[in-house]
Order: sequence, then structure tokens, then C-alpha cells
Amino acid sequence: DTAVSQTPKYLVTQMGNDKSIKCEQNLGHDTMYWYKQDSKKFLKIMFSYNNKELIINETVPNRFSPKSPDKAHLNLHINSLELGDSAVYFCASRPSGGNYGYTFGSGTRLTVV
Amino acid sequence: TQLLEQSPQFLSIQEGENLTVYCNSSSVFSSLQWYRQEPGEGPVLLVTVVTGGEVKKLKRLTFQFGDARKDSSLHITAAQPGDTGLYLCAGEETGNNRKLIWGLGTSLAVNP
Repeated sequence: DTAVSQTPKYLVTQMGNDKSIKCEQNLGHDTMYWYKQDSKKFLKIMFSYNNKELIINETVPNRFSPKSPDKAHLNLHINSLELGDSAVYFCASRPSGGNYGYTFGSGTRLTVV
Repeated sequence: TQLLEQSPQFLSIQEGENLTVYCNSSSVFSSLQWYRQEPGEGPVLLVTVVTGGEVKKLKRLTFQFGDARKDSSLHITAAQPGDTGLYLCAGEETGNNRKLIWGLGTSLAVNP
């Protein structure tokens, strides 16, 4: 019954490794997002996809690459992980059009050591 | 870059007290959303306000959107320990992409 599910919940990895975070939503929403929440709890948008098409790409290092195989999935691949990538990453979705709120996943806590 | 100033940043009160959290901006938003986030979880939508001057109530929580759609407030009456959490406001930009501009959050602790 989980609306927006992310895996894994926790990810501890060494610098230089490549890792992926997966996100799936079963709400039928058209738009999906990746957010990064830093240690001060500030939410910063990274990417947004609408029906598999990239519509928002904030100033994010090229090491971060999103992929949306279909409108229910939005994955995030990170190459050459750095210490500064440590944060909580949230996937979210919403219907397109209108003033709808976002439904967030429970987050992936990434720790780079 | 649009900014959304949220205050106070931290608030620790006793059960039964009232409180108000503010979000202010110099920009006009198409809507203003309030979320609550608990440790280890993602933000959960509480309410969306759309019309200038709009007031919405959710049990003991009252949300107001400013007349000019640049600011909003969240008022909690008779706070309970279950209200403890991080409260986030987010303004939706006007235009095509309609990104959310987030406040820095208000960390609320309600002590029994």
C-alpha cells in the first residue's frame, strides 16, 4: 500500500563508488522528483520528470544521473561518490496540473565514508 | 533566487499552549503548502492554500494565505506532544515549471 517507495532506506558506501537509489509510486501521478535534504533539513530540488521527460534539472554535478523508465519509476544513479554527497535523498510525486501537494517517500540516508 | 523565510526556526513549548509559525516572501506564489516531517520519514502534506486571504482549518491547526499570496501562517491551538515535528512551508512558483520554494522549517517540541 506504500504510495511512494524508495530503496534502500540506508546506504553506506566508500568514496569513489557508484550507487543507485530506486523510487516507485503507485499513485498514478505524472510528475516525480528527487530532492536532497541536508543536515540543516533544507530541501533542495535536484530533478523533476513529467511522463518520463526531464523538466527540471537544477545545478547538480554530472555525477548524478536520473532515469525514468516509465512514469511510475524514477531512479537516481550517482557516480564517483564524494563525502559531500552524504545526505537524505527523497523521492516525491504529484499529479500534473493544478495546485496539488507532493507525496514523499520515506527517504534514503546516504553516508559516504 | 526566490526565498521563503520561515520563523521561528526552533520552538519549545508546554502542552496546551498556542503557537504561530510564519512564512514570508517578497514573491507571489500560485499556492502555499504546509508539510510536517517526523524523524526518519518524508514530509507529509498538511494543507494547500491557493486563494489570497484563504483560511483553512485542520482540527487544531489553522492555515492562512496572505491577501497578496506572498506569505502564510500556521497557528496551532492547545498544542499536544503529538504535534512535535518539523513544520515546512513551501511556495509554488508561478509559470510553467512551478517549482516549490521551501522554507528552512520550524522544529517544534511540545513538552508534556
